[in-house]
Amino acid sequence: NAGVMQNPRHLVRRRGQEARLRCSPMKGHSHVYWYRQLPEEGLKFMVYLQKENIIDESGMPKERFSAEFPKEGPSILRIQQVVRGDSAAYFCASSPQEPGLYGYTFGSGTRLTVV
Amino acid sequence: DQQVKQNSPSLSVQEGRISILNCDYTNSMFDYFLWYKKYPAEGPTFLISISSIKDKNEDGRFTVFLNKSAKHLSLHIVPSQPGDSAVYFCAANDPTGANSKLTFGKGITLSVRP
Repeated sequence: NAGVMQNPRHLVRRRGQEARLRCSPMKGHSHVYWYRQLPEEGLKFMVYLQKENIIDESGMPKERFSAEFPKEGPSILRIQQVVRGDSAAYFCASSPQEPGLYGYTFGSGTRLTVV
Repeated sequence: DQQVKQNSPSLSVQEGRISILNCDYTNSMFDYFLWYKKYPAEGPTFLISISSIKDKNEDGRFTVFLNKSAKHLSLHIVPSQPGDSAVYFCAANDPTGANSKLTFGKGITLSVRP
């Protein structure tokens, strides 16, 4: 029973390139959340998705960032034209329902470095 | 505007002693509070939680206390062990609005000295 799978674990991009981060939720989990952890900061909510729907994207930067969770396949967080300030750890989490008392299950994260 | 605050960035305790990690919040609508533990290069893992209608929840060496009037919660670990050394995040569930989600604090780095 695999947990939340994120890949790649580490991603290096040059400024201006695109970064694609993938997340496969736990089996049976239909709720996917993306969080970002900047250096010396906590976990900041970015977006909440269910299959084929963006439910809450209130934490997403207005430009360059997008997310999807297609009917088939993993959830994708896409960052276009990356800048140094995008360097962070990006965590995906999933749950079978809204978090409540049991929260989410997190993946191991993707560490993005922009050079 | 940070709704969940962990004001102490770090804590060091001796093995076998009690660790007390504190968390304050501002949103009185939060209905569940959770603690996550995170090791370097890994994702956060769920540790323990408490409903806002309770004031205490215990699970083995871990106990969470909630003081709603003070908007304060704490995680007690006793006895502390070296393997408890990690970053601990306090989180709260906001059920208002269209969809609930967890809001996290900045985390506290706990070091347990052998």
